[in-house]
Amino acid sequence: SAVISQKPSRDICQRGTSLTIQCQVDSQVTMMFWYRQQPGQSLTLIATANQGSEATYESGFVIDKFPISRPNLTFSTLTVSNMSPEDSSIYLCSVVLRGGLQSYEQYFGPGTRLTVT
Amino acid sequence: DAKTTQPPSMDCAEGRAANLPCNHSTISGNEYVYWYRQIHSQGPQYIIHGLKNNETNEMASLIITEDRKSSTLILPHATLRDTAVYYCIVSPGAPGQGGKLIFGQGTELSVKP
Repeated sequence: SAVISQKPSRDICQRGTSLTIQCQVDSQVTMMFWYRQQPGQSLTLIATANQGSEATYESGFVIDKFPISRPNLTFSTLTVSNMSPEDSSIYLCSVVLRGGLQSYEQYFGPGTRLTVT
Repeated sequence: DAKTTQPPSMDCAEGRAANLPCNHSTISGNEYVYWYRQIHSQGPQYIIHGLKNNETNEMASLIITEDRKSSTLILPHATLRDTAVYYCIVSPGAPGQGGKLIFGQGTELSVKP
Protein backbone atom coordinates (compact mmCIF):
# COMPACT_ATOMS: atom_id res chain seq x y z
CA SER A 1 0.00 0.00 0.00
CA ALA A 2 0.97 3.67 -0.08
CA VAL A 3 0.76 6.47 2.44
CA ILE A 4 -0.60 9.57 0.75
CA SER A 5 -0.73 12.97 2.37
CA GLN A 6 -2.39 16.11 1.12
CA LYS A 7 -1.89 19.71 2.14
CA PRO A 8 -3.90 21.59 3.13
CA SER A 9 -6.52 19.28 4.57
CA ARG A 10 -9.09 22.03 4.26
CA ASP A 11 -9.28 25.70 3.37
CA ILE A 12 -11.75 28.51 3.01
CA CYS A 13 -10.91 30.85 0.15
CA GLN A 14 -12.35 33.98 -1.40
CA ARG A 15 -13.65 33.94 -4.94
CA GLY A 16 -11.17 35.07 -7.54
CA THR A 17 -8.17 33.68 -5.67
CA SER A 18 -6.18 30.51 -6.36
CA LEU A 19 -5.23 27.60 -4.13
CA THR A 20 -2.49 25.03 -4.69
CA ILE A 21 -2.99 21.58 -3.20
CA GLN A 22 -0.02 19.32 -2.60
CA CYS A 23 0.06 15.54 -2.75
CA GLN A 24 2.99 13.60 -1.33
CA VAL A 25 3.41 9.82 -1.51
CA ASP A 26 5.81 7.76 0.57
CA SER A 27 6.96 5.65 -2.40
CA GLN A 28 7.49 6.01 -6.10
CA VAL A 29 4.29 5.41 -8.01
CA THR A 30 3.58 4.73 -11.65
CA MET A 31 0.57 7.02 -12.03
CA MET A 32 -1.05 9.88 -10.17
CA PHE A 33 -4.52 11.27 -10.65
CA TRP A 34 -6.56 14.18 -9.34
CA TYR A 35 -10.28 13.83 -8.60
CA ARG A 36 -12.98 16.22 -7.48
CA GLN A 37 -15.96 15.34 -5.31
CA GLN A 38 -18.66 17.97 -5.19
CA PRO A 39 -21.01 18.00 -2.20
CA GLY A 40 -23.24 14.92 -2.16
CA GLN A 41 -21.78 13.65 -5.42
CA SER A 42 -19.49 10.87 -6.58
CA LEU A 43 -15.89 11.38 -7.61
CA THR A 44 -15.04 12.95 -10.95
CA LEU A 45 -11.64 12.47 -12.55
CA ILE A 46 -9.99 15.80 -13.34
CA ALA A 47 -6.71 14.70 -14.89
CA THR A 48 -3.80 12.32 -14.95
CA ALA A 49 -0.64 13.93 -13.63
CA ASN A 50 2.24 12.94 -15.89
CA GLN A 51 5.77 13.05 -14.56
CA GLY A 52 7.87 15.50 -16.54
CA SER A 53 5.16 16.47 -19.00
CA GLU A 54 1.79 18.19 -19.22
CA ALA A 55 -1.13 16.58 -17.45
CA THR A 56 -3.85 14.78 -19.42
CA TYR A 57 -7.21 16.38 -18.71
CA GLU A 58 -10.65 14.80 -18.82
CA SER A 59 -13.51 16.35 -20.73
CA GLY A 60 -14.74 19.48 -19.03
CA PHE A 61 -11.46 20.30 -17.30
CA VAL A 62 -8.78 22.61 -18.70
CA ILE A 63 -5.22 23.44 -17.80
CA ASP A 64 -5.88 27.14 -17.30
CA LYS A 65 -8.37 26.39 -14.54
CA PHE A 66 -6.62 23.38 -12.98
CA PRO A 67 -2.88 23.55 -13.66
CA ILE A 68 -1.08 20.43 -12.45
CA SER A 69 2.56 19.76 -11.82
CA ARG A 70 4.36 16.50 -11.18
CA PRO A 71 8.08 17.13 -10.85
CA ASN A 72 8.96 13.61 -9.65
CA LEU A 73 7.48 10.18 -8.92
CA THR A 74 6.29 11.00 -5.40
CA PHE A 75 4.85 14.53 -5.58
CA SER A 76 2.19 16.46 -7.45
CA THR A 77 0.29 19.71 -7.11
CA LEU A 78 -3.13 20.79 -8.30
CA THR A 79 -3.99 24.47 -8.47
CA VAL A 80 -7.59 25.64 -8.51
CA SER A 81 -7.43 29.02 -10.26
CA ASN A 82 -9.72 32.01 -10.15
CA MET A 83 -12.04 30.21 -7.78
CA SER A 84 -15.80 30.57 -7.64
CA PRO A 85 -18.27 29.03 -5.18
CA GLU A 86 -18.89 26.23 -7.71
CA ASP A 87 -15.35 25.05 -7.06
CA SER A 88 -16.25 24.16 -3.48
CA SER A 89 -15.45 20.46 -3.37
CA ILE A 90 -13.20 17.83 -1.94
CA TYR A 91 -10.11 17.40 -4.11
CA LEU A 92 -8.44 13.99 -3.91
CA CYS A 93 -5.06 12.80 -5.05
CA SER A 94 -4.84 9.18 -6.16
CA VAL A 95 -1.88 6.96 -7.00
CA VAL A 96 -1.33 3.63 -8.69
CA LEU A 97 1.03 1.03 -7.28
CA ARG A 98 2.09 -2.19 -8.82
CA GLY A 99 0.77 -4.85 -6.45
CA GLY A 100 2.28 -7.85 -8.18
CA LEU A 101 2.59 -9.51 -11.54
CA GLN A 102 -0.01 -7.93 -13.82
CA SER A 103 -1.71 -6.45 -10.78
CA TYR A 104 -2.16 -2.78 -10.01
CA GLU A 105 -3.94 -1.10 -7.17
CA GLN A 106 -5.11 2.45 -6.87
CA TYR A 107 -5.10 4.34 -3.58
CA PHE A 108 -6.58 7.65 -2.57
CA GLY A 109 -5.40 10.42 -0.33
CA PRO A 110 -7.51 11.86 2.49
CA GLY A 111 -8.68 14.78 0.35
CA THR A 112 -8.60 18.56 0.61
CA ARG A 113 -11.92 20.14 1.52
CA LEU A 114 -12.19 23.49 -0.24
CA THR A 115 -14.87 26.05 0.46
CA VAL A 116 -15.06 29.16 -1.72
CA THR A 117 -16.98 32.13 -0.40
CA ASP B 1 -15.68 2.66 -20.80
CA ALA B 2 -18.36 0.26 -19.63
CA LYS B 3 -20.94 1.72 -17.28
CA THR B 4 -22.20 0.14 -14.11
CA THR B 5 -25.59 0.08 -12.44
CA GLN B 6 -25.91 -0.24 -8.69
CA PRO B 7 -28.85 0.15 -6.33
CA PRO B 8 -28.62 3.57 -4.66
CA SER B 9 -28.96 2.20 -1.15
CA MET B 10 -29.11 -1.02 0.88
CA ASP B 11 -29.48 -1.98 4.51
CA CYS B 12 -27.83 -4.88 6.25
CA ALA B 13 -28.04 -6.22 9.79
CA GLU B 14 -24.83 -6.26 11.78
CA GLY B 15 -23.17 -9.68 11.67
CA ARG B 16 -24.98 -10.74 8.54
CA ALA B 17 -23.51 -10.98 5.06
CA ALA B 18 -23.90 -7.91 2.88
CA ASN B 19 -24.35 -8.72 -0.80
CA LEU B 20 -23.93 -5.73 -3.07
CA PRO B 21 -24.91 -6.25 -6.71
CA CYS B 22 -23.53 -4.52 -9.76
CA ASN B 23 -24.59 -4.75 -13.39
CA HIS B 24 -22.04 -4.11 -16.12
CA SER B 25 -23.70 -5.61 -19.17
CA THR B 26 -21.49 -3.75 -21.68
CA ILE B 27 -18.21 -4.86 -20.14
CA SER B 28 -15.57 -5.81 -22.68
CA GLY B 29 -13.02 -8.60 -22.53
CA ASN B 30 -10.11 -6.59 -21.16
CA GLU B 31 -12.05 -4.70 -18.51
CA TYR B 32 -11.55 -5.44 -14.85
CA VAL B 33 -14.22 -5.09 -12.17
CA TYR B 34 -13.09 -3.01 -9.20
CA TRP B 35 -14.79 -2.32 -5.91
CA TYR B 36 -14.02 0.64 -3.70
CA ARG B 37 -15.77 2.09 -0.71
CA GLN B 38 -15.86 5.54 0.78
CA ILE B 39 -16.56 6.02 4.42
CA HIS B 40 -17.92 9.46 5.23
CA SER B 41 -15.32 12.24 4.98
CA GLN B 42 -12.55 9.89 3.89
CA GLY B 43 -10.90 9.07 0.58
CA PRO B 44 -12.07 5.93 -1.25
CA GLN B 45 -10.58 2.66 -0.05
CA TYR B 46 -9.68 -0.19 -2.37
CA ILE B 47 -11.53 -3.43 -1.59
CA ILE B 48 -10.99 -5.96 -4.33
CA HIS B 49 -10.83 -6.43 -8.08
CA GLY B 50 -11.18 -9.25 -10.61
CA LEU B 51 -11.27 -10.08 -14.27
CA LYS B 52 -13.03 -13.42 -14.74
CA ASN B 53 -12.56 -15.57 -11.68
CA ASN B 54 -14.06 -15.09 -8.27
CA GLU B 55 -11.72 -13.41 -5.85
CA THR B 56 -11.42 -13.32 -2.09
CA ASN B 57 -9.28 -11.32 0.27
CA GLU B 58 -9.34 -10.36 3.92
CA MET B 59 -12.02 -7.76 3.34
CA ALA B 60 -14.48 -9.30 0.93
CA SER B 61 -15.32 -11.74 -1.84
CA LEU B 62 -16.07 -10.83 -5.42
CA ILE B 63 -18.35 -13.08 -7.44
CA ILE B 64 -18.38 -12.43 -11.19
CA THR B 65 -20.95 -14.19 -13.35
CA GLU B 66 -19.73 -16.43 -16.14
CA ASP B 67 -20.83 -13.95 -18.82
CA ARG B 68 -19.19 -11.15 -16.78
CA LYS B 69 -22.23 -8.95 -17.12
CA SER B 70 -22.76 -8.65 -13.41
CA SER B 71 -20.95 -9.14 -10.14
CA THR B 72 -21.61 -9.22 -6.42
CA LEU B 73 -19.44 -7.94 -3.62
CA ILE B 74 -19.88 -9.93 -0.44
CA LEU B 75 -18.93 -8.67 3.00
CA PRO B 76 -19.26 -11.90 4.97
CA HIS B 77 -19.92 -10.45 8.42
CA ALA B 78 -20.89 -6.82 8.16
CA THR B 79 -20.05 -4.49 11.04
CA LEU B 80 -21.16 -0.95 11.77
CA ARG B 81 -17.80 0.25 10.43
CA ASP B 82 -18.73 -1.14 7.01
CA THR B 83 -21.34 1.60 6.61
CA ALA B 84 -20.13 3.45 3.51
CA VAL B 85 -20.78 4.14 -0.14
CA TYR B 86 -19.61 1.21 -2.26
CA TYR B 87 -18.52 1.82 -5.82
CA CYS B 88 -18.40 -0.81 -8.55
CA ILE B 89 -16.15 0.29 -11.40
CA VAL B 90 -15.09 -1.34 -14.64
CA SER B 91 -11.80 -0.24 -16.10
CA PRO B 92 -10.24 -1.02 -19.47
CA GLY B 93 -7.10 -2.82 -18.39
CA ALA B 94 -5.49 -2.47 -15.04
CA PRO B 95 -4.36 0.95 -13.82
CA GLY B 96 -0.90 1.62 -15.10
CA GLN B 97 -1.82 -0.23 -18.26
CA GLY B 98 -4.04 2.53 -19.57
CA GLY B 99 -6.92 2.00 -17.21
CA LYS B 100 -8.36 4.73 -15.05
CA LEU B 101 -11.14 4.60 -12.51
CA ILE B 102 -14.35 6.37 -13.42
CA PHE B 103 -16.77 6.47 -10.49
CA GLY B 104 -20.54 6.12 -10.72
CA GLN B 105 -22.99 6.93 -7.95
CA GLY B 106 -22.41 3.79 -5.92
CA THR B 107 -24.53 2.02 -3.30
CA GLU B 108 -24.92 3.55 0.12
CA LEU B 109 -24.77 0.60 2.52
CA SER B 110 -26.14 1.12 6.01
CA VAL B 111 -25.26 -1.56 8.54
CA LYS B 112 -27.71 -1.50 11.40
CA PRO B 113 -27.39 -2.99 14.90
